[in-house]
Amino acid sequence: DVQLLESGGGLVQPGGSLRLSCIASGFTFSSYAMTWVRQPPGKGLQWVSAISERGGNTNYADSMKGRFTISRDNSKNTLYLVMKSLRPEDTAIYYCVKDRRFGSESDSWGQGTLVTVSS
Amino acid sequence: QSALTQPPSASGSPGQSVTISCTGSSSDVGGYNYVSWYQQHPGKAPKLLIYEVTERPSGVPDRFSGSKSGNTASLTVSGLQVEDEADYYCSSYTGGNNLRVFGTGTKVTVL
Repeated sequence: DVQLLESGGGLVQPGGSLRLSCIASGFTFSSYAMTWVRQPPGKGLQWVSAISERGGNTNYADSMKGRFTISRDNSKNTLYLVMKSLRPEDTAIYYCVKDRRFGSESDSWGQGTLVTVSS
Repeated sequence: QSALTQPPSASGSPGQSVTISCTGSSSDVGGYNYVSWYQQHPGKAPKLLIYEVTERPSGVPDRFSGSKSGNTASLTVSGLQVEDEADYYCSSYTGGNNLRVFGTGTKVTVL
């Protein structure tokens, strides 16, 4: 079974930084694009960023471009999201997601890690 | 990239059908056959229900079906069951730097 285990969430002050990690198992990690999706408390889903199978292509939502960096280490089956200059509106559950293809639908989701940006 | 528009809520009695719309533009829903639908129960991660407008992953009941006309996609849940009470989100490929966009979400209540 596909398993995606996120970690690294927590409380951070506005302007601070955080690195999220997602360890994948149950599938050939290097063969699939991966995505981060977030969900502010009580609100809807927001697409954050995606990375292609080998990491050569990355895309970001406009509001996160320049502040967030997605990367992956296929030797460690791990996906990362480095978030800088965090704002209160970045407060959300961040989901690590496996995509069927780069830019396409997400067929497996982690349980999410909560990021809270507050002073 | 603006979120796709969904009705905030929909409801039906057990056994009935409910259809949820998802309206975008020619830059997303209307331009590509990469519309997907997700079900999310409270406190849980979303689950893929439909991909490529009409396709169901293995294990998803055939009570769930998808369609598209122009810039609007739709999800129909037939033979509503109590366990179908959840939030539903659509998503579309956009072809731009904002690779994908989600809908605003619809809360389905089984009366």
